[in-house]
Amino acid sequence: GQNIDQPTEMTATEGAIVQINCTYQTSGFNGLFWYQQHAGEAPTFLSYNVLDGLEEKGRFSSFLSRSKGYSYLLLKELQMKDSASYLCAVNSGYSTLTFGKGTMLLVSP
Amino acid sequence: NAGVTQTPKFRVLKTGQSMTLLCAQDMNHEYMYWYRQDPGMGLRLIHYSVGEGTTAKGEVPDGYNVSRLKKQNFLLGLESAAPSQTSVYFCASSFREGHPSTDTQYFGPGTRLTVL
Repeated sequence: GQNIDQPTEMTATEGAIVQINCTYQTSGFNGLFWYQQHAGEAPTFLSYNVLDGLEEKGRFSSFLSRSKGYSYLLLKELQMKDSASYLCAVNSGYSTLTFGKGTMLLVSP
Repeated sequence: NAGVTQTPKFRVLKTGQSMTLLCAQDMNHEYMYWYRQDPGMGLRLIHYSVGEGTTAKGEVPDGYNVSRLKKQNFLLGLESAAPSQTSVYFCASSFREGHPSTDTQYFGPGTRLTVL
C-alpha cells in the first residue's frame, strides 16, 4: 500500500524560515511533488524531486532522500500570503499521484 | 488558455438524485483525473483516464462513473447521490507519464457538492 505522512499543522512568523517534512512508504517511486493550496482554492504545483538532493525555486526549496523515504519543503522569508495547506504527493509509477493529508501552515505577523 | 475548467462550481442535490460534473482542459493533456477532498482526508483519487476512451478506478470509485469520449473532456457521474458524497471535487490533468516534468498535474477550480 501507499502511505504518506506530514504534520497536520505548523505555525511560523513572517520573515522566518519553515521546514515542512514528508515521509513516504510506497510500492514504487517515480517522483515526489509539492503543491500549495489556499483555502477554498485548487492545489497549485510548487516543485518536484526525482533524484536525491535539493531543488531551489526562489523562496521555496525541496529536498529528497529516496533511501530514507523522506522529503522536505523549505520556505524562506515567509510572507502572510504563504499561509496555506502544503500537500506532498508521490508518483509510485502507476500513472497516478498519492497525496498526503496536507500540512496547514499559518503565518503570523 | 483557460487551463482546466469545471462546471458547475456549486451544486446542492437531494439524496437519490443524479448529476454529472464536467471537466474540460485545453492543454492537449493525455491524462485526466477526478479527486474528492474532505476535511482531514486529503485528496483521494476517484477515477482517472490515460487517454481518450479509457478509464480506470482509483482509491474511492464506488458510487461514481466516468467517461472520456473526447480527449479534452472528462465527465464524473453520480447515479444516486448519497450524503457521504458531500465533498469538494477536483479535476486534474497531466501531459503524460514518464517524467515528473510531464506528469505534473494541473487542477481545476473545484466543484462544491452538498447532498441533503
